[in-house]
Amino acid sequence: QVQLQESGSGLVKPSQTLSLTCDVSGGSISSGGHSWSWIRQPPGKGLEWIGHIDHSGSTDYNPSLKSRVTLSVDKSKNQFSVTLTFVTAADTAVYYCAREVILTATQGWFGPWGRGTLVTVSS
Amino acid sequence: QSVLTQPPSASGTPGQRVTMSCSGSSSNIGSFAVNWYQQLPGTAPKLLIYIDNRRPSGVPDRFSGSKSGTSASLAISGLQSEDEADYYCAAWDDSLHTWVFGGGTKLTVL
Repeated sequence: QVQLQESGSGLVKPSQTLSLTCDVSGGSISSGGHSWSWIRQPPGKGLEWIGHIDHSGSTDYNPSLKSRVTLSVDKSKNQFSVTLTFVTAADTAVYYCAREVILTATQGWFGPWGRGTLVTVSS
Repeated sequence: QSVLTQPPSASGTPGQRVTMSCSGSSSNIGSFAVNWYQQLPGTAPKLLIYIDNRRPSGVPDRFSGSKSGTSASLAISGLQSEDEADYYCAAWDDSLHTWVFGGGTKLTVL
């Protein structure tokens, strides 16, 4: 059974860079039919997709974050990562990593999800 | 403002049937599968319904999904206190080239 676990800095200063890693266990990050996503949730608010990456390193990003976000994958460690530059208080959120199952070009879903990690942007 | 529109709240008493809606457009719900996620208080979201109306293993058949045109619905029958949670719909949007979520519906079991 695939499990995901986020790790990284929980406190980031404004204008600095947020970096998080997601460790995948119970399955290979290189398995076909999957991408790997980051999703965030500001306190008391809804979900926002950040972007996804597949095992070959192909990425898509949310246009609203595209200029500041980079996703990468490390197949040797079975993990993927996100960096977000020039953070502000608006980037304070719980950050989740999730496996994206791709059945067809129009059918996909997120599951499982990591437990999430709170990142606070504050000086 | 979320791309997918959900009512902010819903409520029901134990045993009742409740439904919640998710409204989108031709570039998302109208063209792509809808998924629903349940987020219990203080926990990560969990897949509840995928590809419009399919239930993952372990999800009770009290939960059902449907889709018509650019709208989708989640129904919960035989409401239980442990169903109290936030429910989010999601779909890929081909115009925005991004996954989009509804703002979430907070379900209260009275």
